[in-house]
Parts: sequence; C-alpha cells; structure tokens
Amino acid sequence: GDSVTQMEGPVTLSEEAFLTINCTYTATGYPSLFWYVQYPGEGLQLLLKATKADDKGSNKGFEATYRKETTSFHLEKGSVQVSDSAVYFCALRTNFGNEKLTFGTGTRLTIIP
Amino acid sequence: GAGVSQSPSNKVTEKGKDVELRCDPISGHTALYWYRQSLGQGLEFLIYFQGNSAPDKSGLPSDRFSAERTGGSVSTLTIQRTQQEDSAVYLCASSIIGLAVQTDTQYFGPGTRLTVL
Repeated sequence: GDSVTQMEGPVTLSEEAFLTINCTYTATGYPSLFWYVQYPGEGLQLLLKATKADDKGSNKGFEATYRKETTSFHLEKGSVQVSDSAVYFCALRTNFGNEKLTFGTGTRLTIIP
Repeated sequence: GAGVSQSPSNKVTEKGKDVELRCDPISGHTALYWYRQSLGQGLEFLIYFQGNSAPDKSGLPSDRFSAERTGGSVSTLTIQRTQQEDSAVYLCASSIIGLAVQTDTQYFGPGTRLTVL
C-alpha cells in the first residue's frame, strides 16, 4: 500500500542554519505530494505541494521538489528562523477521486537562537 | 465560516462511554475527512465524505467508530464504548473537489483532544 517515510526527529538547529528534512514515498500511480506544518498549539496547515514530477513547491522560504526517479520530496530551507519551530509532516495523495492523505510520522524541528 | 471548526476542543471521558465529535467544514466545501493523530500511530485517515456519494470508511479502526454528514455540511464522528487506545487528537479537514488538482487542498480544523480514562 501507499506509505510515506520521513526523517525522524527531533531535529535541532541554530538560527540561520540550512534545513533538510528527508521524505520518500511508495505509491501506485502518480501521487500528489504535500508538506504540512503544525506550529505549537495550532492546527495542521498546508506548507507546500507538488502535483507532478519535477514540480517544485515553495512557500515561506521552504522548497521541495517532486523527484519521481528517487520517489522523494525532501523539504529544504536555506536559513531557518526560530519561528520555524514546528512539527513537519510529509504526505501523499494517490488517485484523484480517492482523496485521503497518507502521512509520514512527522519531524519535530526546534530552532535555537 | 472562515475555517474548519471542531467541537469540543477537549473531551475527557470514562472507558465504556460513548462520545460525539463535531466538525463544521468550510462553507461550500464538498469533501470532508476525519483523521486521527496519536502518539503510537501518527496521523491516520479514518473516513471521507464527498457530496452524496457513499463515504469511504476504509480507515475506521473498528465498528465502534461511525460518522455521518448531515445535509452535506456538518459531520459527527461517534465512538461507542470508548477504550483507552481511542485517546488521540481527532482532526477534521475539508476541501473542494473539482476537475483540477489545484482545488484539492485539504484544510484542517484545530482538532478535538479525546482522553479516555
């Protein structure tokens, strides 16, 4: 079945450091890929998405490129801020019309000043 | 409303009792989803409603779980004879299902934290 494997945390970085959170997937067909973020005390929010191979999703300085050849969708940011501290979830959706999201386990990111 | 709302925000119940969790989706959204977020299982899909179609119940963990969506809007997730392993945050999401994948973003509510003692 469909599955998402993402880098386990927690991850702790200093402010302005480079961030990579790895995400790989297993799915039939051509899934859409997503990164969701959950800030402390808040609900799950869509951070970015990509719907086909080689697409790059970007938002708030974060980027992720849909790599079909490596079945990956790694999240990157060049310079993290304290406000980026949150839990990040990689997710996929397969068949259009069967809309459920399959999530990774989440990666807790803490940025220290 | 402006976003997906859920009630109650917190629910503490005793083992064996029934609970009802409510979700109000974004107005005009035709699709509604329930997920569960727990320490042991991460974020897992429970059930999906789309318009007047039969719901996709493939994620419900047992027959103690059921959900309905009235009038294509508000949804209620019911857990009968609650068990301690049902303790989790129950998340609701809604989306517009259209012909383009760009319209398919799921917007999540703040969740209901259920604690079964």
